[in-house]
Amino acid sequence: AQKVTQAQTEISVVEKEDVTLDCVYETRDTTYYLFWYKQPPSGELVFLIRRNSFDEQNEISGRYSWNFQKSTSSFNFTITASQVVDSAVYFCALYGGSQGNLIFGKGTKLSVKP
Amino acid sequence: GAVVSQHPSWVICKSGTSVKIECRSLDFQATTMFWYRQFPKQSLMLMATSNEGSKATYEQGVEKDKFLINHASLTLSTLTVTSAHPEDSSFYICSWTGGREIRGTEAFFGQGTRLTVV
Repeated sequence: AQKVTQAQTEISVVEKEDVTLDCVYETRDTTYYLFWYKQPPSGELVFLIRRNSFDEQNEISGRYSWNFQKSTSSFNFTITASQVVDSAVYFCALYGGSQGNLIFGKGTKLSVKP
Repeated sequence: GAVVSQHPSWVICKSGTSVKIECRSLDFQATTMFWYRQFPKQSLMLMATSNEGSKATYEQGVEKDKFLINHASLTLSTLTVTSAHPEDSSFYICSWTGGREIRGTEAFFGQGTRLTVV
């Protein structure tokens, strides 16, 4: 079965702290894709990154970085020097549903306090 | 990237009435669209897969007679919540991932519709 686990339900940090959001996935596919989305209170999903299973290079985009480790089936997301605007719910997702849909984790609510 | 336009963005309706949510692909043809539902403080769960020109497929536990899906053209999929009840209050969002292949670098989502049934 395909599954995405985000064990952290809520995280609260103070501005400028670094924070890592964990994501563990399960799949039997050899080719798969992983995503991270940000969902602010408005509800709209904001795409952050997509990673395919053949590319294990870590990625950095500004204050955001991602650590993909196939050996542990993890795709963790780190925000460096967090800001209040980073407050949102973050979803990790796996492309691999039987019909081509995404399978989402339960999400991690990040609160960044000033 | 591809644009998926969904509306309305929010709607309040009375219990027992029906609500239609539209999802349009603006710059591509979508043979398949996905409809997700998100209850407050929960994750997005796939409700159904909308297939152009054929019947939608529904996930287990989703009532097909209650959530009517129409995908009559390659650019429009609609979800109608019939005889809505307060427990149908949720955030509904459509998505396209190019069927069995991802086009471009991401899956594309509509803006979502927040439905409140009173």
